[in-house]
Formats: sequence, structure tokens, C-alpha cells
Amino acid sequence: ELKVEQNPLFLSMQEGKNYTIYCNYSTTSDRLYWYRQDPGKSLESLFVLLSNGAVKQEGRLMASLDTKARLSTLHITAAVHDLSATYFCAVLSFPRIDSNYQLIWGAGTKLIIKP
Amino acid sequence: EAGVAQSPRYKIIEKRQSVAFWCNPISGHATLYWYQQILGQGPKLLIQFQNNGVVDDSQLPKDRFSAERLKGVDSTLKIQPAKLEDSAVYLCASSLRITEAFFGQGTRLTVV
Repeated sequence: ELKVEQNPLFLSMQEGKNYTIYCNYSTTSDRLYWYRQDPGKSLESLFVLLSNGAVKQEGRLMASLDTKARLSTLHITAAVHDLSATYFCAVLSFPRIDSNYQLIWGAGTKLIIKP
Repeated sequence: EAGVAQSPRYKIIEKRQSVAFWCNPISGHATLYWYQQILGQGPKLLIQFQNNGVVDDSQLPKDRFSAERLKGVDSTLKIQPAKLEDSAVYLCASSLRITEAFFGQGTRLTVV
């Protein structure tokens, strides 16, 4: 059974600083998603990482995938208050050979960026 | 492009009552998902439809939860009877491909 772990689960940081959120998963997968969720809002897709070594960047956020290490990182550069949200990673899983795919979600990282 | 629509946004019921949620996916999206998100946790898939057929309902508590997707478009999720532990946000999502799923704003259910 695929398990997805994020860390840290909570992060408070100052504006202008850099930090990284980690997403580890337990079995082989070659597709990983990052989503953002603002309080009381829905989930917004940020990145889809499709292969080993994939790197995607949007503004101050950069995501990467290492399928051999079963690790994805979401790096925040020079954080600004508007990036305060909860960030989730989700990993594509095929639980059984004859089953359809599922997305297995991490618990989320609540990020607070202080002015 | 209109997003995934869900209603109601909020619902408070007493335990043992029943409740229903409605979802209208993005037009043309064949796949529809219902997720349960308990406070402080990631979403948990309850059921996945492909058109009007169920693809995966392995994590749906079938003794109390039911869902249908008539005509392969709108979907309803019902809980009967509700328990305290059902308090959560119920998210509907739809996708055209497995590359990306689009989520609605969710229904926040409080069972008292």
C-alpha cells in the first residue's frame, strides 16, 4: 500500500527567506502532484511532475521529482505573505493490477509567512 | 471555463440524520471523484466515477454512504445516518485526463 509523508507539517517563516517542503512516498510511482489550499477554499493544482528528474517552476515555487529516491521537493524562494497556504503532495497509485488509478495524498504542510 | 460546482457550501445536522451533497463537474469531464477531507488531513477518496459507472468505491463506507452519477454528469453523495466522525469537508473533483483534477469548493459538514 502506497503511503505519502510530507514534512514539515507546519512551517512558520519570515518573508524573504527560502525553505523546502519534502514529500516522500513508499512505493514506485512516476507521477506526483502538488496542490495548494487556502483556508476555506478548494484545492488548486500547482504542478504535475511526470518523470524522474522533472523540475517545474512557477514564480517563487519550484518543484522537483526524484523517482529513485521516491522524493519530491517544493522549494520556496524569497517567500512572500501571499504564499501562506496549506500545500499537499499527491502520488499516483495503481493499487492492484486490474484496478484503476488512485491519488494518495500527504497530510499537507501548513505554511505561514510572516511579514 | 466554469469550474466544479458544489452545493450546499455548509451543512449542520444532528447525528443519525441524513444529508445529501450535489456536484456538477466541468463540462466534458468523464471522471468524477468524491473526497472526504477531515480537518488537518489530506483528502481521502470515497468514490470515483467514469461517466456513470463506478470505477473505485473501496473506501466508501457503504453501510451509510451512497453516491450516484446519473447520466454521467451531475452526482450526489448521501450519508444516512450521519455520525459525529463524518464531520469533514466533502470535495468533488473532475478530470478529463489523469494528468490533472479540478476541485470544487467543497461542502463543510458538521455533525452535532
